[in-house]
Amino acid sequence: DTAVSQTPKYLVTQMGNDKSIKCEQNLGHDTMYWYKQDSKKFLKIMFSYNNKELIINETVPNRFSPKSPDKAHLNLHINSLELGDSAVYFCASSHVSNEQFFGPGTRLTVL
Amino acid sequence: GQSLEQPSEVTAVEGAIVQINCTYQTSGFYGLSWYQQHDGGAPTFLSYNALDGLEETGRFSSFLSRSDSYGYLLLQELQMKDSASYFCAVRGWMDSSYKLIFGSGTRLLVRP
Repeated sequence: DTAVSQTPKYLVTQMGNDKSIKCEQNLGHDTMYWYKQDSKKFLKIMFSYNNKELIINETVPNRFSPKSPDKAHLNLHINSLELGDSAVYFCASSHVSNEQFFGPGTRLTVL
Repeated sequence: GQSLEQPSEVTAVEGAIVQINCTYQTSGFYGLSWYQQHDGGAPTFLSYNALDGLEETGRFSSFLSRSDSYGYLLLQELQMKDSASYFCAVRGWMDSSYKLIFGSGTRLLVRP
């Protein structure tokens, strides 16, 4: 049983396109996150939602828009993709505790 | 602002002990976490220290000194499967929310 799942696992697309990544968790957690990991493996928080409410919104271009239809889902939509958006995007979830559970990641390549 | 420093790479021999250090600067500090990430995989939680001292979980231990803004991850009886990247991460109250800020990671290579 997958705890945190993401789709797709790989995404290859052209510059200027719009794409979405979906995330679902079946752990009953209240908080979900999106992280970006660049080619140097630096892992940076982008957004966090708690019970469908946005609580963290780091300095991320407004081409990135998260959406949480319910507390088990947090999707990421990216408009007008740029070369620099190429990275691995991880979804994660947590309860009140300090342990975050990460999804398998979505490797985005923008050509 | 927040910053974390950890070595970029460490090499050790199978069966040995290795220590990965992490120093941090942050406001609103709550605790220090460690995550392991294999190539192509997702980060997985290893440990969390909120108080000073050593926490042991099997072959892995983690230490924190809040007064020194310093912690380390100790891996004993190294196995080949321990080759991975290890991230320290500060949990803190920043900008009106709890956040986990990751270090840049230490790549551990275990040799036979």
